[in-house]
Amino acid sequence: KAGVTQTPRYLIKTRGQQVTLSCSPISGHRSVSWYQQTPGQGLQFLFEYFSETQRNKGNFPGRFSGRQFSNSRSEMNVSTLELGDSALYLCASSFTGVESTDTQYFGPGTRLTVL
Amino acid sequence: SQELEQSPQSLIVQEGKNLTINCTSSKTLYGLYWYKQKYGEGLIFLMMLQKGGEEKSHEKITAKLDEKKQQSSLHITASQPSHAGIYLCGADKIAGGTSYGKLTFGQGTILTVHP
Repeated sequence: KAGVTQTPRYLIKTRGQQVTLSCSPISGHRSVSWYQQTPGQGLQFLFEYFSETQRNKGNFPGRFSGRQFSNSRSEMNVSTLELGDSALYLCASSFTGVESTDTQYFGPGTRLTVL
Repeated sequence: SQELEQSPQSLIVQEGKNLTINCTSSKTLYGLYWYKQKYGEGLIFLMMLQKGGEEKSHEKITAKLDEKKQQSSLHITASQPSHAGIYLCGADKIAGGTSYGKLTFGQGTILTVHP
């Protein structure tokens, strides 16, 4: 079974631009979560989607948004990029996203560099 | 302050030595996950613990959750260079509540194993 895939793996953007990252979950998984990882803040939860609906959201500004398609693939978008948005963006998928019954499996990440 | 505290922050051991990494919360943990990450890459799922006193092993790695469900430890026996990486503990529900698709992570422990 194929794992979680993320595209692109690397991105370089300049301040003020916007970016879209893509995540394809493991087949059969309907929950997709997104995380931001930085050296200073560690791994932080962005949001979670299930059946095309956002069910949970972390403490990030509105510049960070996402969506999920009917095939469970998900995208996240960051508008008006800032230098501080440089990070490794990870997505994870699970069957239901229901706590303590389901394991999240992570993709390889997208490394975003904002210049 | 972090909801999950990991210790130590970094660890350097000689190949063949045993080691332990700890993950502590001031609140009850309902689902505790251990992941391993190679720098700049995605997270690899190791084990998940739910019940107080639970212990799981895979190859040379053993994870335990204490009876009070506030502390977990990860023990590696006879370490090898392949064990090197960043070890992260994550919890999906701390002290009750519902949190779809969200894992809260510790800051990670960097493990170096010298041949």
